[in-house]
Amino acid sequence: GQSLEQPSEVTAVEGAIVQINCTYQTSGFYGLSWYQQHDGGAPTFLSYNALDGLEETGRFSSFLSRSDSYGYLLLQELQMKDSASYFCACFSNYQLIWGAGTKLIIKP
Amino acid sequence: DAGVTQSPTHLIKTRGQQVTLRCSPKSGHDTVSWYQQALGQGPQFIFQYYEEEERQRGNFPDRFSGHQFPNYSSELNVNALLLGDSALYLCASSSGVGRATYGYTFGSGTRLTVV
Repeated sequence: GQSLEQPSEVTAVEGAIVQINCTYQTSGFYGLSWYQQHDGGAPTFLSYNALDGLEETGRFSSFLSRSDSYGYLLLQELQMKDSASYFCACFSNYQLIWGAGTKLIIKP
Repeated sequence: DAGVTQSPTHLIKTRGQQVTLRCSPKSGHDTVSWYQQALGQGPQFIFQYYEEEERQRGNFPDRFSGHQFPNYSSELNVNALLLGDSALYLCASSSGVGRATYGYTFGSGTRLTVV
């Protein structure tokens, strides 16, 4: 089957760095995406990795290792507004297959 | 530039009833995908519409059907509602059928409660 595994919850302190891991098992893998979703809100696109390596977008970075079927999202200089759920997702047959999401809790 | 617009935002229905949810894609987008998100879970793909046709379908029963109009807007219809259909229904738009490298644009969703 196709699945993505990520931790259900991660806690960090404001100003710190946090890493959210994602392992996947899919057929026809085309790349790994990351989305942020605040409670009651729409998922918003953060990043996409098609090739191995690190992609950086401001305070957020995303990494992919295709040989390990593994990726992570790195959030730096955490702010309280970063408190949200983060989802990894990958494309298969023109649809996004999603992980169950990681709830990021940030403490002052 | 308007993003994806979904209506209504909230809806309460009784078991066995039928419901229609609506979605207007982001300007410039021609592809609409529908997802169901249960509480505490990731979204599950229902189907995708492009050029007014259903192009891909996820593992959902025939009670779930849809339509895309010439202006690219879309409807999701669910018949014979079950309690388990209670969820957030998300519409995502993109340009062209494919892998949407730069990400889908999601609406804020319709929260459907079946009682």
